[in-house]
Amino acid sequence: LAKTTQPISMDSYEGQEVNITCSHNNIATNDYITWYQQFPSQGPRFIIQGYKTKVTNEVASLFIPADRKSSTLSLPRVSLSDTAVYYCLVGDIEGGGADGLTFGKGTHLIIQP
Amino acid sequence: ETGVTQTPRHLVMGMTNKKSLKCEQHLGHNAMYWYKQSAKKPLELMFVYSLEERVENNSVPSRFSPECPNSSHLFLHLHTLQPEDSALYLCASSQDLRDTYGYTFGSGTRLTVV
Repeated sequence: LAKTTQPISMDSYEGQEVNITCSHNNIATNDYITWYQQFPSQGPRFIIQGYKTKVTNEVASLFIPADRKSSTLSLPRVSLSDTAVYYCLVGDIEGGGADGLTFGKGTHLIIQP
Repeated sequence: ETGVTQTPRHLVMGMTNKKSLKCEQHLGHNAMYWYKQSAKKPLELMFVYSLEERVENNSVPSRFSPECPNSSHLFLHLHTLQPEDSALYLCASSQDLRDTYGYTFGSGTRLTVV
């Protein structure tokens, strides 16, 4: 999996839009970008995945520029319950393999009232 | 519930005890995983199973012994653990290997070794 770099922590307030950027300079042609969310004492939960441009679902949006060397997870109008660790993963989901998902340290997002 | 159930949720064991962690999924997934998450550290992949066969063992000490009797169940047998083995142990499953889209994690077992 390509190496990723994201901020260790971020703070925001309820009702704000939060953008978490992930750098992945060595992303390969076949790599997808996937974000997971983890609450304390729980397992990570899939949020969103994309390859290029923009992807949106009911939880978040993912913006990927043309060079794909970075991506931005956007959480609209956050609430206290969005306080969690957010992981950016980059990897090839094609062709099989046995190395499993590799998680970095993630970004600890803290939402305040 | 995510579809992956782990028991027990919490476990305290002495260094000479033998215990087992259980993971169960009825999502029809073919791959299952054990991860370890220590305080303030990234998740560490321990074992990977595909169709009940172990396909990855990331240099995990032999005091951790996995077992996958069928595609729905995964166990982690523990014996002679050390205090530094205290962590959150997470089980995950996916439709196939390296299915980054479909990893489903359980809520984990919080293990404390005393």
